[in-house]
Amino acid sequence: GDSVTQMEGPVTLSEEAFLTINCTYTATGYPSLFWYVQYPGEGLQLLLKATKADDKGSNKGFEATYRKETTSFHLEKGSVQVSDSAVYFCALRVDSGNTPLVFGKGTRLSVIA
Amino acid sequence: NAGVTQTPKFRVLKTGQSMTLLCAQDMNHEYMYWYRQDPGMGLRLIHYSVGEGTTAKGEVPDGYNVSRLKKQNFLLGLESAAPSQTSVYFCASSYLIGGAYNEQFFGPGTRLTVL
Repeated sequence: GDSVTQMEGPVTLSEEAFLTINCTYTATGYPSLFWYVQYPGEGLQLLLKATKADDKGSNKGFEATYRKETTSFHLEKGSVQVSDSAVYFCALRVDSGNTPLVFGKGTRLSVIA
Repeated sequence: NAGVTQTPKFRVLKTGQSMTLLCAQDMNHEYMYWYRQDPGMGLRLIHYSVGEGTTAKGEVPDGYNVSRLKKQNFLLGLESAAPSQTSVYFCASSYLIGGAYNEQFFGPGTRLTVL
């Protein structure tokens, strides 16, 4: 079946450090890929998405490129801030029928000043 | 727009008690979902609905029932609560435009403890 694998956390970085959170996927069809972010005590919010190979999603300084050849969608940010501390979820959806999103287990990021 | 709202925010139950969690969305979305979030497990889909009057099972449906009598509401019921159902429950909704899938919008969550 379809699945998403994320690097395990927690990830702890100093402010202004470079962030990479790895995400790889397995899908039976041609998926759309998403990154969601969950701030403490809140629900999930869409951070960025990409719907086809080589697309780059970007938002709030975060970027991720849809790599079909490596089945990956790694999240990156050049300079993290304390306010980026959250749990990040990679997700996919195969665009056929009404299939819901499939989520990874999440990666907790803590940024210290 | 309030987006996706969930009621209640917190609840403590004793084993064997029943309760219903309410999810409401004011965005006229066709699709609605219930997830549970447990430490180290990420989000797991319980049930979902692709329209009023329809429901389908997700990854972990056992011990839960759902109903979608109105398009804007999606109810999650626990008939006989068990400690294993202690979790944070999230509702979400989404829509399609021109066959293209769009993002899921999440509610703030309900923290349920079963003693």
